[in-house]
Amino acid sequence: KAGVTQTPRYLIKTRGQQVTLSCSPISGHRSVSWYQQTPGQGLQFLFEYFSETQRNKGNFPGRFSGRQFSNSRSEMNVSTLELGDSALYLCASSLAGTGVYEQYFGPGTRLTVT
Amino acid sequence: DAKTTQPNSMESNEEEPVHLPCNHSTISGTDYIHWYRQLPSQGPEYVIHGLTSNVNNRMASLAIAEDRKSSTLILHRATLRDAAVYYCIPIKAAGNKLTFGGGTRVLVKP
Repeated sequence: KAGVTQTPRYLIKTRGQQVTLSCSPISGHRSVSWYQQTPGQGLQFLFEYFSETQRNKGNFPGRFSGRQFSNSRSEMNVSTLELGDSALYLCASSLAGTGVYEQYFGPGTRLTVT
Repeated sequence: DAKTTQPNSMESNEEEPVHLPCNHSTISGTDYIHWYRQLPSQGPEYVIHGLTSNVNNRMASLAIAEDRKSSTLILHRATLRDAAVYYCIPIKAAGNKLTFGGGTRVLVKP
C-alpha cells in the first residue's frame, strides 16, 4: 500500500502571498490531520478532517484553513503569509479518526516565507 | 489533554535494550497511550499504542502500569536506526488529535 503523500515537498513564497498544500492519505483512510513543525514550537496540531468535515481545530489564526474531498484527499491553505509561517507542514492519515487507530505521517512540505 | 513527562534524553549502546519511561498521571480512563518517533529529517512514525494491557509489535513493546499513570516503551535491541525523538501521547478514544510534548531524544552508540 502506498504511504501518505504530500505535494509539493518544498515551497518558497513571499510575505502576503497565499499557499495551498496537498495531502493524499493511505487508501481507505478517512481521517486526515495537519500539523506544523517549527524549531521553536515543535509539532503543533492544526486541524483534522473526517468524511469531508472538520472535526477538530488547533489554536491557529483563521488564515489557516483546510478542506477534505470525497476521496479523502485534503488540502490546507494559508493566506496572507507571514515570515513566522515558515515551517514543515505534515499531514497524517488514519483509518477512522479515533484514538483506537494509529496515524501515518507523510514526509511533509517545507514552506519558506521570505 | 493529559499532560506527559518524559526524560529529555537517553543514551544506549547498540544491541542493548532501551526503556523509555513516560508519566501521564492525568490520563483519563478512555485515553489510549500512543508512542511515535521522529527520525532526523523525517515525519513522525507510529511505534505502538495500547489502552490497558501490555502490547508487543515488531518494533517495540509497551508496558502500561496497572493504574495507567505511567508507561514504558521498550526497544529490545537498539540499532543505530532507532536514534530518534520518541513521543508518548495520550489520545482520547473519540478523538484524533496528537499533542506532541518535548519527547525523549534517544542516542544509540555503536
